[in-house]
Amino acid sequence: ELQLLESGGGLVQPGGSLRLSCAASGFTFSNYGMSWVRQAPGKGLEWVSAIGGNGDSTYYADSVKGRFIISRDNSKNTLYLQMNSLRAEDTALYHCAKVQEDSSWNMWFDCWGQGTLVTVSS
Amino acid sequence: EIVLTQSPATLSLSPGERATLSCRASQSISSYLAWYQQKPGQAPRLLIYDASNRATGIPARFSGSGSGTDFTLTISSLEPEDFAVYYCQQRSIWPPLTFGGGTLVEIK
Repeated sequence: ELQLLESGGGLVQPGGSLRLSCAASGFTFSNYGMSWVRQAPGKGLEWVSAIGGNGDSTYYADSVKGRFIISRDNSKNTLYLQMNSLRAEDTALYHCAKVQEDSSWNMWFDCWGQGTLVTVSS
Repeated sequence: EIVLTQSPATLSLSPGERATLSCRASQSISSYLAWYQQKPGQAPRLLIYDASNRATGIPARFSGSGSGTDFTLTISSLEPEDFAVYYCQQRSIWPPLTFGGGTLVEIK
């Protein structure tokens, strides 16, 4: 069974840092691109970042570019999001999501984690 | 950035009725559109991709249509488990990937 399990969220002060993790199972992790998508409380979905299967290509939303870094460790089947210089507007539930097709940038997400909550507040 | 506008914001219907949800793109995105369903406290679920293809395990009562800038998700006969929020998403021009604001399908 395909499964994604996020961790690492919590309460952090403005300007602080957090690293989120997403543990994957049930599929050949290294074959699939992955993304982070966030959802502010009571709001819609916002794409944050994407990474290719081998980790060489990464993409970011303008709202996080220069502050967040996406990475992956295929030996551990784990996706990461390093979040620096956090702002109140980064407060959200952060989901990791798997791209539908292997070795592809088709960018349809057929498996999502339940999310980890990040709260940025003093 | 491609903006996706969903309408209506809320759709109030009864079980057994037909639901028609709209998603309009700010410029042509060919058929590069997907639909997701999200229930409270759950992760989104892929329903439709490439505008009209049902994802694995999605019931036939869900169908998608459209191309260019105007797209429709139709639920032919609402089941109790279909009451949820529905989002559209485009991958035609990215980054950024963009989502619509969502349509809540609620029980009338």
